Amino acid sequence: EPEVTQTPSHQVTQMGQEVILHCVPISNHLYFYWYRQILGQKVEFLVSFYNNEISEKSEIFDDQFSVERPDGSNFTLKIRSTKLEDSAMYFCASRALGKYNQPQHFGDGTRLSIL
Amino acid sequence: KQEVTQIPAALSVPEGENLVLNCSFTDSAIYNLQWFRQDPGKGLTSLLLIQSSQREQTSGRLNASLDKSSGRSTLYIAASQPGDSATYLCAVPGETGANSKLTFGKGITLSVRP
Repeated sequence: EPEVTQTPSHQVTQMGQEVILHCVPISNHLYFYWYRQILGQKVEFLVSFYNNEISEKSEIFDDQFSVERPDGSNFTLKIRSTKLEDSAMYFCASRALGKYNQPQHFGDGTRLSIL
Repeated sequence: KQEVTQIPAALSVPEGENLVLNCSFTDSAIYNLQWFRQDPGKGLTSLLLIQSSQREQTSGRLNASLDKSSGRSTLYIAASQPGDSATYLCAVPGETGANSKLTFGKGITLSVRP
């Protein structure tokens, strides 16, 4: 069964450094998402992307964050200058076109640790 | 603003028991509701999606029900097994459409004792 692939599985970065998280969504999907989960807390929405542009973003997704779909397969999340509070599990998700019956499929996540 | 609640936060049952996990949401104008499973340190596995027009959806030993008017969904697990031990989350899409962001509950951590 097709799946969403995320790399790396674990990223350790010094505070203030830039980090890029990589995702390969399921190939025929058109909607792409990033979520994060701080340890012990709810999964929180960051941003959604459709038709080569951001369709929705949360308050968390400030100027330090950006997303890109550089080619037909990858979807990246960049954090420009990381803070300690960015430490979390980051999940990429994708969804096929369809009205009400298409689920979002999630990757295994990237654990980001900021030192 | 949509709020999703799952109570209790944790549940421990003996193997073989049938059990029900609850999910409630504040805004009943939802397009669908999705149930996920999360193993420790892992990603989210989609278990079931139940559309707003449906009352129930089944997959193997899992059955999800939806009562939009009361803002509730339940996930029924039949004949529980130790391998069912995981955190179960429910989530609903936002008001802009079925493709919009998901709002999650905090999850119910299930432990099935052999």
